[in-house]
Amino acid sequence: KAGVTQTPRYLIKTRGQQVTLSCSPISGHRSVSWYQQTPGQGLQFLFEYFSETQRNKGNFPGRFSGRQFSNSRSEMNVSTLELGDSALYLCASRAGEAYNEQFFGPGTRLTVL
Amino acid sequence: AQSVTQPDIHITVSEGASLELRCNYSYGATPYLFWYVQSPGQGLQLLLKYFSGDTLVQGIKGFEAEFKRSQSSFNLRKPSVHWSDAAEYFCAVGAPGTSYGKLTFGQGTILTVHP
Repeated sequence: KAGVTQTPRYLIKTRGQQVTLSCSPISGHRSVSWYQQTPGQGLQFLFEYFSETQRNKGNFPGRFSGRQFSNSRSEMNVSTLELGDSALYLCASRAGEAYNEQFFGPGTRLTVL
Repeated sequence: AQSVTQPDIHITVSEGASLELRCNYSYGATPYLFWYVQSPGQGLQLLLKYFSGDTLVQGIKGFEAEFKRSQSSFNLRKPSVHWSDAAEYFCAVGAPGTSYGKLTFGQGTILTVHP
């Protein structure tokens, strides 16, 4: 089975722009969670989508948004980019509704100049 | 709200030595506990998990962890470290219920292995 894939792997943007990151979960997985990883704040939960519905949202401003499609693929969008948004963005998928482990993708490295 | 503390930011061991990485959590009930490993520029790989039952859990790559409720700890151990174990290790906690998809991570412990 193919793992979680994220595109693009690297991205450079300038302040004020917006960006869209994509995540394809493991086949059959219905949940996708997004995390931001920075040296200062570590790994922080952004949001989770399950069957196209946002289930949970972390403590991030409204500039961070996401969605999930009927094929479980997910996108996250960051508008009006700030320097502090530079980070590794990780997505993770899990199989079902009950509790089980999350499988992480390789991440998208976003640099904001 | 749950939280996770990894007291050691950086640990250095010699190849072949034993290893213990500490993890303390804060949560009102029994949480779901995980250890992940991250190599530079990579995503996170699950080493092991604890949901319930036997408090000593075995994982991949020869790692094990022990859940101690009285100490709110979930320390990761390996009897003999290999150079390829050099990476960053994260302890994480999840809460049952509607927060299934949300993990709270510790700050991570960087492991350096000397030959």
